[in-house]
Amino acid sequence: SQQGEEDPQALSIQEGENATMNCSYKTSINNLQWYRQNSGRGLVHLILIRSNEREKHSGRLRVTLDTSKKSSSLLITASRAADTASYFCATDGPYSGAGSYQLTFGKGTKLSVIP
Amino acid sequence: DAGVTQSPTHLIKTRGQHVTLRCSPISGHKSVSWYQQVLGQGPQFIFQYYEKEERGRGNFPDRFSARQFPNYSSELNVNALLLGDSALYLCASSTLGSGTVYFGEGSWLTVV
Repeated sequence: SQQGEEDPQALSIQEGENATMNCSYKTSINNLQWYRQNSGRGLVHLILIRSNEREKHSGRLRVTLDTSKKSSSLLITASRAADTASYFCATDGPYSGAGSYQLTFGKGTKLSVIP
Repeated sequence: DAGVTQSPTHLIKTRGQHVTLRCSPISGHKSVSWYQQVLGQGPQFIFQYYEKEERGRGNFPDRFSARQFPNYSSELNVNALLLGDSALYLCASSTLGSGTVYFGEGSWLTVV
């Protein structure tokens, strides 16, 4: 079953604009990770944020986590056509033993960046 | 360093047949997991192995099985294929403590 939902399901923006995607989840987590998937390809890891962190940056990416609201957001600044892809959040937890990493994904946000 | 590698990349099978998908984790990673992604959906967890022991199983029928070898590579086997098994099968690896899970490019399975 899906842990949570990404919102919006689809997003279309002009190159240079910022893109914000949201993710909600249902149970307590250890970590939350964001991935990018180009059509028909594998998942590319973007960023991991731990449950005791509130914000994290990586290049043009900014991720926030609000565990009280069970939600996260991914901000991509100054978007490029190459950012066109589907974006997924994935959670793991609650803790289920050493070496146990079972991710639960939402349905993803399909981002289109128009040149 | 090589990432997670999977084979084959694409394959077509007939209903009722059996399929074996293979995965090599990132060097040094001892945890391997498998996910199924049908079109338009997020990946669904199938199995996880750590140090050659099954650590988790998702809500999939017994037709699905997996194993992990001494070199930490892994196989996913699916018996008695159904049309609904058509999907992208993703393998992922991780190392204890990091939390970061890395995925391969996947194996596209089409059942006709």
